[in-house]
Amino acid sequence: AQTVTQSQPEMSVQEAETVTLSCTYDTSESDYYLFWYKQPPSRQMILVIRQEAYKQQNATENRFSVNFQKAAKSFSLKISDSQLGDAAMYFCAYRGGDDKIIFGKGTRLHILP
Amino acid sequence: NAGVTQTPKFRILKIGQSMTLQCTQDMNHNYMYWYRQDPGMGLKLIYYSVGAGITDKGEVPNGYNVSRSTTEDFPLRLELAAPSQTSVYFCASRRQGSGTSTEAFFGQGTRLTVV
Repeated sequence: AQTVTQSQPEMSVQEAETVTLSCTYDTSESDYYLFWYKQPPSRQMILVIRQEAYKQQNATENRFSVNFQKAAKSFSLKISDSQLGDAAMYFCAYRGGDDKIIFGKGTRLHILP
Repeated sequence: NAGVTQTPKFRILKIGQSMTLQCTQDMNHNYMYWYRQDPGMGLKLIYYSVGAGITDKGEVPNGYNVSRSTTEDFPLRLELAAPSQTSVYFCASRRQGSGTSTEAFFGQGTRLTVV
């Protein structure tokens, strides 16, 4: 079974600085999808960024980018120019051929003013 | 746009009672999912469905049942509620197909407390 591991339960970053959240996963599949979701205190799950495993190029969405290392099964999220509104729980998620979407335990990100 | 709608938003249940968490989506998505999120934890998959009439177990299905009689609705049934089922429940849906555009859309969640 696939697993997703986020090894950083909490992180803090100064406003306007850059932070990287880690995610590793375990799979025997070659074609799959990876996602980062943000969950603010409102509880709403918001898609931040996504990556298809067969694409070599790392995905970017404005201030958010990923470092996808397929061989290492690593999918880290980089947030540049951190803003107070970025404070939230961040979840890494994996979707494989069985259509299940599996989540990591999350990283709580604090933004320091 | 309504998206994914969950009802109720909050509920307190007594041990041994039963209830159904409702989930409906208006995006004509084939795939639907139920998750539970315990405090400070990630989302655990309870059940999922790839289309009307088809359901399958996820990571933590014990104590729950689902049905999928229509594309729009995917109710989650709790029989004989236990304190261990105290959690926030999320329903999600996504369209069929491959590609990153088929990301999951989530409802607002149902906070359930079993006392």
